[in-house]
Amino acid sequence: NAGVTQTPKFRVLKTGQSMTLLCAQDMNHEYMYWYRQDPGMGLRLIHYSVGEGTTAKGEVPDGYNVSRLKKQNFLLGLESAAPSQTSVYFCASSAPVLVRSQYFGPGTRLLVL
Amino acid sequence: AQSVSQHNHHVILSEAASLELGCNYSYGGTVNLFWYVQYPGQHLQLLLKYFSGDPLVKGIKGFEAEFIKSKFSFNLRKPSVQWSDTAEYFCAVSGRSQGNLIFGKGTKLSVKP
Repeated sequence: NAGVTQTPKFRVLKTGQSMTLLCAQDMNHEYMYWYRQDPGMGLRLIHYSVGEGTTAKGEVPDGYNVSRLKKQNFLLGLESAAPSQTSVYFCASSAPVLVRSQYFGPGTRLLVL
Repeated sequence: AQSVSQHNHHVILSEAASLELGCNYSYGGTVNLFWYVQYPGQHLQLLLKYFSGDPLVKGIKGFEAEFIKSKFSFNLRKPSVQWSDTAEYFCAVSGRSQGNLIFGKGTKLSVKP
C-alpha cells in the first residue's frame, strides 16, 4: 500500500515548455487534489476532482489543466511554463466521508527558468 | 471570505519547553479542523483533526488541540517539545459538506537541543 505517489520528484523546465505531473493513489479514494506550496503562502488549491471524469477549479487554477481519466490517477498539466510556476506541487486524496482527511504525496519540486 | 490565520510565522523553543501555536479561522457554517505537520523535506502528515464532540482532541506524538467555537480558534499545544518536533505546522479548515481544505500559511517551529 503505497498511499499517494507523485512523478517526477524534481524537474527543471525552461519558460514556455510543457509538462505533466502524475499523481497516483491506491486507497480507492474518490477525491483528489493538486496544491502548490510557496514559501510564506502555505498550500493553495489549484484544481480538484470529486470523482473519475470530473474536475473543478481551486483557488489558483490559471496556467494549469487537469484530467482524471482513471479513479486512481490525477494529472496536472502545465501547457506553457512560467517562472511564477516554480513551486513545490503536492497531490492529495481523500474519501467521501464526513471528515475528509486528506492524504498527501511526497511532492514534486518544479523549477522554471 | 473563508480564511485561516496562523499568528506566528516562526517559533523558536528549547527542548522541554511548552508549545502553543495559534490558529483562527473565518468560515460560515459547521467546520472540520485539522493540523498537519511537514518535517523538513517531507510531505504533509495529519497530526489531528476535529469534527464534533469533545473540543479537546489528541493527536499523534503528544500533540493536542482545543476547538473554541466562540473564538473561532483551534490552537495546537504540546507540553514538552523535542528536537524532533522541528517542522512546519499548518492549520486547515473545511466545511462539513465539502472536502476542500483551506490552509493557513504555516508556522515554522525550530527546537534547539
